[in-house]
Amino acid sequence: EIVLTQSPATLSLSPGERATLSCRASQSVSGYLAWYQQKPGQAPRLLIYDAFNRATGIPARFSGSGSGTDFTLTISSLEPEDIAVYYCQQRNSWPLTFGGGTKVEIK
Amino acid sequence: QVQLVESGGGVVQPGRSLRLSCAASGFTFGSFGMHWVRQAPGKGLEWVAVISFDGSKKFYADSVKGRFTISRDSSRNTLYLQMNSLRAEDTAVYYCAKELTGSNFHYWGQGTLVTVSS
Repeated sequence: EIVLTQSPATLSLSPGERATLSCRASQSVSGYLAWYQQKPGQAPRLLIYDAFNRATGIPARFSGSGSGTDFTLTISSLEPEDIAVYYCQQRNSWPLTFGGGTKVEIK
Repeated sequence: QVQLVESGGGVVQPGRSLRLSCAASGFTFGSFGMHWVRQAPGKGLEWVAVISFDGSKKFYADSVKGRFTISRDSSRNTLYLQMNSLRAEDTAVYYCAKELTGSNFHYWGQGTLVTVSS
């Protein structure tokens, strides 16, 4: 099973700041990594798939990068509505796995 | 627009069974793989099972293999999860999810809560 480790566990930033979230895989997942946003009481929402492709309707301030074992989700300028937990997920091999999440807070 | 509506959750005793349903609309159901993903209270996401677009392939997480069965009825545009021999650790919100390309979870339902408790 591929283990995904996300860091940091919590990120506290001010509006307008740049947020950088990391996801590291225990073995290569090629480019098959996705990012999801989950707000309290809501289902997750797909942000980025296959490392860098933005899903439909996702603002341009969200971007993904990386390949192999190291991936990054960047929020270029944090908005108050971006407060959420962010999860990475790999689809390179079974079983599909998620990272433990990064909580983004407003400072 | 795409809609996924789960139902069938509730409180069940350990060892008993429950069947979840996910009614799909707004897309060609028979053209997409479908998944179940769960989230224990206050915890992260855990993938549970997948069924291919035509129902010919199914994969499960080790934690549910042999106890849960995923199925689909394209005539009813409905996805199912039959859960047998339930354990306390199966307590979670269960989401159904539609694939985008490959196993990316493009659309999610609102979830249904399953509580396994005596």
